[in-house]
Amino acid sequence: EVQLVESGGGLVQPGGSLRLSCAVSGFTFRFYWMHWVRQAPGKGLVWVSRISGDGSSTSYADSVKGRFTMSRDNAKNTVYLQMNTLRAEDTAVYYCARDYGHLGEIDYWGQGTLVTVSS
Amino acid sequence: QSVLTQPPSASGTPGQRVTISCSGSSSNIGSNYVCWYQQLPGTAPKLLIYRNNQRPSGVPDRFSGSKSGTSASLAISGLRSEDEADYYCAAWDDSLSGSVVFGGGTKLTVL
Repeated sequence: EVQLVESGGGLVQPGGSLRLSCAVSGFTFRFYWMHWVRQAPGKGLVWVSRISGDGSSTSYADSVKGRFTMSRDNAKNTVYLQMNTLRAEDTAVYYCARDYGHLGEIDYWGQGTLVTVSS
Repeated sequence: QSVLTQPPSASGTPGQRVTISCSGSSSNIGSNYVCWYQQLPGTAPKLLIYRNNQRPSGVPDRFSGSKSGTSASLAISGLRSEDEADYYCAAWDDSLSGSVVFGGGTKLTVL
């Protein structure tokens, strides 16, 4: 059974940092591109970033470029999102997701972790 | 403002057929596959349709997808109360360095 479990969310002050983790199981992790997608309270889904199976290629939404870094550890079956210089508008539930191919065909999602940026 | 355009709401009575539209452009829907997701209140999205019209195992055949040019549609037939949820379309966008783009979501109400 495919499982994705996010952790690391919480309350952080504007300008602060947070690292999200997503531990996966039930599939051969290194073969799959992975994504982070976020959803602000009461709003729609917004893509944040993606990473290739070997970790050599990443891309980001313009709204987080230069502030967020996505990485992965294939030995630990875990993907990460390092978030720096956080802003109030980054407040959202962050979902880790698996790509069926490599062009954003997301087939499995984690349960999400809430990040709240507030003073 | 979402890159893909969906109606904010849709409704139907039990047993009816409902269609939700998703409009994009040549850089996304026009040249890439479309996926559809169902999000029940307080839960993570769930894949309903991939590669425009394919259903993952376990998704009832009441759900179907289609694509034509730069638009796509999700149809739900034999509407049931448990179908009340938010529905999102998504596609890869080839512009700039590439990204996944979503529709703004359609809230389906079963009357």
